[in-house]
Parts: sequence; structure tokens; C-alpha cells
Amino acid sequence: AQRVTQPEKLLSVFKGAPVELKCNYSYSGSPELFWYVQYSRQRLQLLLRHISRESIKGFTADLNKGETSFHLKKPFAQEEDSAMYYCALSGMGSARQLTFGSGTQLTVLP
Amino acid sequence: GAVVSQHPSRVICKSGTSVKIECRSLDFQATTMFWYRQFPKQSLMLMATSNEGSKATYEQGVEKDKFLINHASLTLSTLTVASAHPEDSSFYICSARDGTGGTEAFFGQGTRLTVV
Repeated sequence: AQRVTQPEKLLSVFKGAPVELKCNYSYSGSPELFWYVQYSRQRLQLLLRHISRESIKGFTADLNKGETSFHLKKPFAQEEDSAMYYCALSGMGSARQLTFGSGTQLTVLP
Repeated sequence: GAVVSQHPSRVICKSGTSVKIECRSLDFQATTMFWYRQFPKQSLMLMATSNEGSKATYEQGVEKDKFLINHASLTLSTLTVASAHPEDSSFYICSARDGTGGTEAFFGQGTRLTVV
């Protein structure tokens, strides 16, 4: 079974401070990990995926297979980063369904 | 990015009636679409995987006879909540993957269903 855990429901940081949203996963094979973001009153959208190894909007995430983690980080948070963040895992089944974590509501304070 | 359109965005219905929700991929063909349910302040829970031209695959605990899924074409999947009851009130979200094998999933804007 595949599982994604986001231990923090709420996270508040001040503008300019570093932010880290934690994500741990459980999967027996080689998963593909994603971070999705949902801004207020908008649909869920992809922020980044581990295979791309890219930085989007200043966010990065490194897959740590030893710790089974995929934490999302940004060195200097901005107010517009305030949103709901979901970590998700896609297994290797034919349909490649996404399993979502419970989400972390990030609030960046001025 | 690709666009997934979900309709209606909000619906209120009487208990016992059926409600149909449409999910369309506007600029790509989606051989597979997914239906999620989201309770307030909770994560998205996968209900079923909809495959074009074949029966949907339901997750454990999801009633097939209550949540009817049809994926008649490569751009349209529908979810019908049959004989809806107040406990079916929820936020329903669809997503689709590009049939060319892309791994990114694109999401609809969701449908808020309220059964009174």
C-alpha cells in the first residue's frame, strides 16, 4: 500500500524566513513524488515533481530514499506563497493513481 | 498547461435525486481520468479511476451503485451520484492525465455538492 504523510496541518512563517513543508511516504517500489499547490479559490496545480529536479517559484524538493522523505523547501518565503500544499505519490501501476497527503496550510505573515 | 473543465462548480439537490458531474479535458485526450472526494479540511481521497471505453475501477469502500462513472470518450468522464443523501454532500474533484503518457495530472476546479 502507498501512503503519504504530511505531519503539519498548519504552518506559519514570516516573510523572508525559510520554510520547509515535510512529507514522508511509504511505498514498496520506486515512486514518483509530486508537490501540488492550491491557492485560495483556485484549482489544484502541480508545483514540482522529483524527476524534474527543478526549482519552481523558488521551491525545491529532494527525494531522500533513505529517509523516505520529499520535503518542500524555500529559503525566503513570500506572502504570495500562502496556500495549501499537498504532497503526492504516484505508484507504478498502469493507471498511476496519485495518493495525496493530508495537506499543509502555509501562511506567510507580513 | 492542459485544462480540465468540471461542471457544474456548485449544485444543490434534494435528497433522493441524482446528480451528474461532468469532467472534460479541453485540449488533450485523456485515456484515464480520476475522481476524488474531499471533505472539509481533509485531503483528496481517490474514489475511482475512469478508463475510456471500459468499466471504472473503484477504490475499496466506494459504492459502485451510488457513484456511477462513465467515460464515453477520450475527453469526457461523468460521475453520477445516484439517489443522493445529505451524507453525500462533499467536494468532488476530477483529474486527467494526457494520454500520450505524461505523468502530470491536471485537475478540474471541483464541484461542491450539497444535498438537502
